[in-house]
Amino acid sequence: QVRLVESGGGVVQPGRSLRLSCAASGFTFSTYGMHWVRQAPGKGLEWVAIISSEGTNEYYADSVKGRFTISRDNSKNTLYLQMNNLRTEDTAVYYCAKDLLTTVTYYFHYWGQGTLITVSS
Amino acid sequence: EIVLTQSPATLSLSPGERATLSCRASQSVITYLAWYQQTPGQAPRLLIYDASNRATGIPARFSGSGAGTDFTLTISSLEPEDFGVYYCQQRGSWPYTFGQGTKLEIK
Repeated sequence: QVRLVESGGGVVQPGRSLRLSCAASGFTFSTYGMHWVRQAPGKGLEWVAIISSEGTNEYYADSVKGRFTISRDNSKNTLYLQMNNLRTEDTAVYYCAKDLLTTVTYYFHYWGQGTLITVSS
Repeated sequence: EIVLTQSPATLSLSPGERATLSCRASQSVITYLAWYQQTPGQAPRLLIYDASNRATGIPARFSGSGAGTDFTLTISSLEPEDFGVYYCQQRGSWPYTFGQGTKLEIK
């Protein structure tokens, strides 16, 4: 079955960096676009970024553009999110999510359990 | 940016009852709308995509309808595990956005 396991969360000061990882299994990772979606404490959902199946195309929400970088290693079945210049408003649970189809739909079919990032001084 | 407005904010019902949740878009999203369920402490789960298609493994009691700006998620007979927060999400226009959620609670 599809399994997505995020790691790398924690407490970080404003302006610092952090890298999240998402280990995927149970499907052919290299054929699906992958997303990061976040949820601030007690709030709704916000899409953050997508990377195409081959890693050649990336798109970002305006709120993170220029600060976050999504990447993937298909040989390791792993998705990453490099987060630089973190702000307090980036505090959230970060989920990795698998797209619904092998052609990108921006529908989030399977989700990991999430990893909490707290940005605080 | 398309704003999705979900109503009601909270819906209190008993197991066995029918639930009707609404999602209204500020502009047409055609039928490019999904519904997700999030139970406490869990990740969201895709229920419906393209307004009316059930995702893999989703029970038939969940159904979606609508097009353009008005969409409905119906749960025909509530089970105890159905209580949680429901979000709609559109991919009809960039940036793709979520609604603020409807909390479905046990009465």
